[in-house]
Formats: sequence, structure tokens, C-alpha cells
Amino acid sequence: AAGVIQSPRHLIKEKRETATLKCYPIPRHDTVYWYQQGPGQDPQFLISFYEKMQSDKGSIPDRFSAQQFSDYHSELNMSSLELGDSALYFCASSDGQGGFQQDTQYFGPGTRLTVL
Amino acid sequence: AQKVTQAQTEISVVEKEDVTLDCVYETRDTTYYLFWYKQPPSGELVFLIRRNSFDEQNEISGRYSWNFQKSTSSFNFTITASQVVDSAVYFCALSEAQGGSEKLVFGKGTKLTVNP
Repeated sequence: AAGVIQSPRHLIKEKRETATLKCYPIPRHDTVYWYQQGPGQDPQFLISFYEKMQSDKGSIPDRFSAQQFSDYHSELNMSSLELGDSALYFCASSDGQGGFQQDTQYFGPGTRLTVL
Repeated sequence: AQKVTQAQTEISVVEKEDVTLDCVYETRDTTYYLFWYKQPPSGELVFLIRRNSFDEQNEISGRYSWNFQKSTSSFNFTITASQVVDSAVYFCALSEAQGGSEKLVFGKGTKLTVNP
């Protein structure tokens, strides 16, 4: 079965640079979530989209922005990178079912971002 | 506010032992969903089970079983006859169905090491 695809899998950036992470959800899934997992930490919710509209926002820095495109893929844009942004970034997708029922979130393999 | 507590930070067992991972949650909602995810050393987050608050039936899947008790707000996970491949960090997570937010709130995780 098709899974969530994330690219790139690894990314190394310098401080103050920008990064773009991409997420391709499972086919027919209309909801995308982004999570950040620091070393030894649990995943923390950043932002989510349902049918290309932002549906919820967590502790996402103002330096980060995201969107979901017409083909349902999503991109997380990160600017003015800081050392503390080094983390594993997960994208998850689910079948939102119109927002009336929580469906299971299936996670991609993650993008490991290292900021030097 | 939602909260998930996994009191066991690390557990070490010998192969073939049974092991139970504890999960206690807090929520004000009457409708919510509970999840377990496995994160092996390779880093991906693998979905194991989803339970909604109206379904208190215990579930068994092969060597895995889950005990959901609303009276104690617990959703514990037992691995029977553990194997080395079970070594991973296991996360319990909660999602509330109301308020339009489906974000997952994770516990801190329990690192399970199964020794041969």
C-alpha cells in the first residue's frame, strides 16, 4: 500500500538559511499534519490542513509557514533557521471525512534537518 | 487540556518475557481517540492501534494486546513473548474529536529494549 512520502529525507543547512520540506500524502487522503520531534523528545504538532485550508495550528514559529496544494501535497517552509530547529520533521496524512470523525494519522519517514 | 503520561521512561527485558507499557491520559472531552505508535531505531513512526472513547473492548493482535479502562483513564499496551525486533520507543497519543482539532498529543514515550 502507498505510504506518505517526504522529501528530502536528510537536509543540512547553515544558520539563517531557508529550507523547504515536502510531503505527499497517501492517495485520497485530504488532511495533512506536520510534527517536529527534537532529539529524545516526543513529536510536537505544528500545523494541519484539511482540503487545502489550514485547520489547526500548534506551536509553530512565525519563521515557519506551510500550505497544502491542489494535489494535496504540502510544503513546510522554514526561514532564518536556528540551531534549535534541528529535528526530525514528520508529515502525517489522514482521511478527514469532512472533519466529523477522527481518522488514523499515518506518518511519513520524516525529514531529518540539521542546522549548523 | 489534553495530556498523556507514560511514566516508564525505559524498560529492559529479556527475550520471551511479557512486558506492559503504561499510558494514562487526561481530557475534558467525552469523545476522544487513543493511539499507540512504535518508533524503531530507524526513526519512522508506525501506527499500531486506534481506539475511540466509546469502545472499551480490549484488543489482541498477535503478540500485542491493549487494555483500555475509562475508569482509570488508562490505555496500556502489553507485548507477550517479546522479541528483539520489538526494541523501539513506543508512544501513546490522544486526540480529541471536538473543537475541530485532530492533532495528536503524545506522551514522552517508553523506550523498550529487548535483550537476546
